[in-house]
Amino acid sequence: GESVGLHLPTLSVQEGDNSIINCAYSNSASDYFIWYKQESGKGPQFIIDIRSNMDKRQGQRVTVLLNKTVKHLSLQIAATQPGDSAVYFCAEIKYNAGNMLTFGGGTRLMVKP
Amino acid sequence: GAGVSQSPSNKVTEKGKDVELRCDPISGHTALYWYRQSLGQGLEFLIYFQGNSAPDKSGLPSDRFSAERTGGSVSTLTIQRTQQEDSAVYLCASSFKQGAEAFFGQGTRLTVV
Repeated sequence: GESVGLHLPTLSVQEGDNSIINCAYSNSASDYFIWYKQESGKGPQFIIDIRSNMDKRQGQRVTVLLNKTVKHLSLQIAATQPGDSAVYFCAEIKYNAGNMLTFGGGTRLMVKP
Repeated sequence: GAGVSQSPSNKVTEKGKDVELRCDPISGHTALYWYRQSLGQGLEFLIYFQGNSAPDKSGLPSDRFSAERTGGSVSTLTIQRTQQEDSAVYLCASSFKQGAEAFFGQGTRLTVV
C-alpha cells in the first residue's frame, strides 16, 4: 500500500541555526498532513498541520511547506534550540478512505550547543 | 481525563506469558489507535478503532495480538504467549473524530525476558 515518509535519518544542527526536516509521501490523494514531535521517553505531540489545499502554514518558530507537485512535505524550525532535539514524524490522512492517520519513518533532530 | 492515559507505564514479563495493556482515551474521542515503537525506530501501526465501525486490524503482526474497545472508550491490547521480539513501547492515541489529529499517551514500555 501507499505510505508516508522515509527511514529514520538524523539531522544535526547548531543552536540558533534554522532546521529543515523533510518527508516524502506517496499517496497523492492525501488530504491532511501533520507534523509530530517526540521527545525521549514521551509520546508524540502535535506541532502543526496543513491541509492539501494549502502550500504553507506558519506557527510559532515553525513553518510547514507542502509541495504537491513532487509530493514533498517539510518542517522548518527557526532559530533551533536545544529543546527542539527530538524525533519528528510526518503523518497523513486521506479522507473517505478510512480517515486513518499514517505515519512516516521519522527524523531525529540533534541540536548542538 | 485531560489526556490519553496508558497503564502500566512499564511492564516486564516472562517469555510465554500473556500481557494486557490499557488505554484510556480522551473523553469523547471516537477514534483510537495503537502503535508499536521499537527502540530508536518509527511508529508501527497496529490497530484502529473508529466509533462503532469494525476496527482496522491490518497492522497486527500475528494472531497473538488482539485488541478490544469496550463501550467506545477504554481499549485493551492483549499479547498472548509473549516473545522477546514483542519488547517495545506500545503507544495509544485518540482523536475526536475521523480525519483529525491524534493525541498520544505516554506509552507502555514492555520488556519480555
